[in-house]
Amino acid sequence: KAGVTQTPRYLIKTRGQQVTLSCSPISGHRSVSWYQQTPGQGLQFLFEYFSETQRNKGNFPGRFSGRQFSNSRSEMNVSTLELGDSALYLCASSLGQGRETQYFGPGTRLLVL
Amino acid sequence: AQRVTQPEKLLSVFKGAPVELKCNYSYSGSPELFWYVQYSRQRLQLLLRHISRESIKGFTADLNKGETSFHLKKPFAQEEDSAMYYCALSSGSARQLTFGSGTQLTVLP
Repeated sequence: KAGVTQTPRYLIKTRGQQVTLSCSPISGHRSVSWYQQTPGQGLQFLFEYFSETQRNKGNFPGRFSGRQFSNSRSEMNVSTLELGDSALYLCASSLGQGRETQYFGPGTRLLVL
Repeated sequence: AQRVTQPEKLLSVFKGAPVELKCNYSYSGSPELFWYVQYSRQRLQLLLRHISRESIKGFTADLNKGETSFHLKKPFAQEEDSAMYYCALSSGSARQLTFGSGTQLTVLP
């Protein structure tokens, strides 16, 4: 099976702009979770989607949002970008039936100037 | 609130030596614990999870509920084990993983 894919892999934006990142899960996986990875804060959970519904949310401001489509693909959006949003954004997919293994994508590296 | 602590940011050992990467957690319920590894220029991938009780690439980890620890061990380190290792906890029925800050392991020749 193909692994989790994320597009784009790299992105440069300026403060105040917005950005949309995309994640395609492993075929058959219905749960997609998003994480932010920074040198200072490490890996932090953003949110999880299952069957097009946000099922769990981390402690991030409302500028961070997401959605999931009927084919389980997911997008996350960050509005009004700040310098501190520069990070590697990872998505992970799983079947969504319990505390099973999550499979991670390669990430999208976002740089905010 | 749940928390995962990896006290060593960097760890260096010589090839053939035993290695132990420490992980302690705090969680009031019954956690599920994982070790993820990230090799250079590769994606984060699962190394092992406590519920499966497997040995992957020679690594083992035992959940010690009394000490709230889940240390990762390997009796003889190899150079290809050099990587970043993350301990993670999943609580309840959520898919949310709480990660430790990671330990960069370097195995010297």
